[in-house]
Amino acid sequence: DTAVSQTPKYLVTQMGNDKSIKCEQNLGHDTMYWYKQDSKKFLKIMFSYNNKELIINETVPNRFSPKSPDKAHLNLHINSLELGDSAVYFCASSQELRNTIYFGEGSWLTVV
Amino acid sequence: AQSVTQPDIHITVSEGASLELRCNYSYGATPYLFWYVQSPGQGLQLLLKYFSGDTLVQGIKGFEAEFKRSQSSFNLRKPSVHWSDAAEYFCAVDTDKLIFGTGTRLQVFP
Repeated sequence: DTAVSQTPKYLVTQMGNDKSIKCEQNLGHDTMYWYKQDSKKFLKIMFSYNNKELIINETVPNRFSPKSPDKAHLNLHINSLELGDSAVYFCASSQELRNTIYFGEGSWLTVV
Repeated sequence: AQSVTQPDIHITVSEGASLELRCNYSYGATPYLFWYVQSPGQGLQLLLKYFSGDTLVQGIKGFEAEFKRSQSSFNLRKPSVHWSDAAEYFCAVDTDKLIFGTGTRLQVFP
């Protein structure tokens, strides 16, 4: 019954690889997000989608490409992974912008 | 620019003691304010939120927070801390996107 679920939870991969993180929400929300939490626990928004349309893109390298096939899904694809991409990536959703945001459990990405 | 400040990086309290975690924000209009908690290796759980109305809001797990416009603050409180409250606490303000503070790590001693 997880409201916002993301997979995989843990991912270890080599530099230069391409990887994807999938996210699904069953709350019927219109808006979905990706947040990045760095090693110092700092949380920053990366992307926001509303009804499958990109709303917020926070100066994220274009190696990161979100894709929203429908309102319930927002996947994150990362090309040419770098060491600095190691972080926890959180998917989240809300009914609309400026509303309560519910977070997934996070995906721990380690690039070696 | 909008910002959130959590002045205390790390707080240690004894179990049963009262707790107050500080949060100050910078935003021109009426903010939407949130407190989230993150246990080790876990995701973010919403504790409480303020959108409008009564400035004292109650949340889950016995937490409450008070919005003080004059001080641009939204401090989180709990009258008696339990060992299971040990976690990282994040204050956040929603303008057109959710901006987080840097977090306060709470340690609870028995």
